[in-house]
Amino acid sequence: DIQMTQSPSSLSASVGDRVTITCQASQDISNYLNWYQQKPGKAPKLLIYDASNLETGVPSRFSGSGSGTDFTFTISSLQPEDIATYYCQQYDNLPFTFGQGTRLEIK
Amino acid sequence: QVQLVQSGAEVKKPGASVKVSCKASGYTFTSYYMHWVRQAPGQGLEWMGIINPSGGSTSYAQKFQGRVTMTRDTSTSTVYMELSSLRSEDTAVYYCARVLVAGRAAFDIWGQGTMVTVSS
Repeated sequence: DIQMTQSPSSLSASVGDRVTITCQASQDISNYLNWYQQKPGKAPKLLIYDASNLETGVPSRFSGSGSGTDFTFTISSLQPEDIATYYCQQYDNLPFTFGQGTRLEIK
Repeated sequence: QVQLVQSGAEVKKPGASVKVSCKASGYTFTSYYMHWVRQAPGQGLEWMGIINPSGGSTSYAQKFQGRVTMTRDTSTSTVYMELSSLRSEDTAVYYCARVLVAGRAAFDIWGQGTMVTVSS
């Protein structure tokens, strides 16, 4: 199985800050990576697909980059409604696997 | 609108089975694979398996092989996930999520989740 390692596991930042989360795959997955946002008590929501493509309706302050084994997710200017847990997920091979999540809090 | 509506919360005893349903609407049922993902309390997301609603073929995570069965009913656009020999560690929220058959492989629509509690 492909292991996905996300860092940090938690993050505290101020409104307006630039926030970056990284995700590393245990093997080359090309650009077969998605990012999701999950708020408490809710299902995950797709933000970024194919490593860098913004899902329709998602604010442009969210972005993704990377390929191969190393990926980055960025919020350019943190907003209060961005408080959530973020997950990366690979789909290069079954079983699809997720990173362990990054819990984002407001400082 | 496009939605996946799951069945309600369940409480089961250890050793029992649970069957969760996921009814799709607002799109062509056979154009999307359906996956099941679970999340134990306070934990991350865990992929369980996939079913192709078109032919009914399935693939399961090794961890659940022999305990999980995914089926579908094309007449009602519903998929089912049955998990047997339940243990306390199976207490989790179970989600269905769709992925386009021909195109991007992202979970773009999720069900609302079904809480399954396993307790004696």
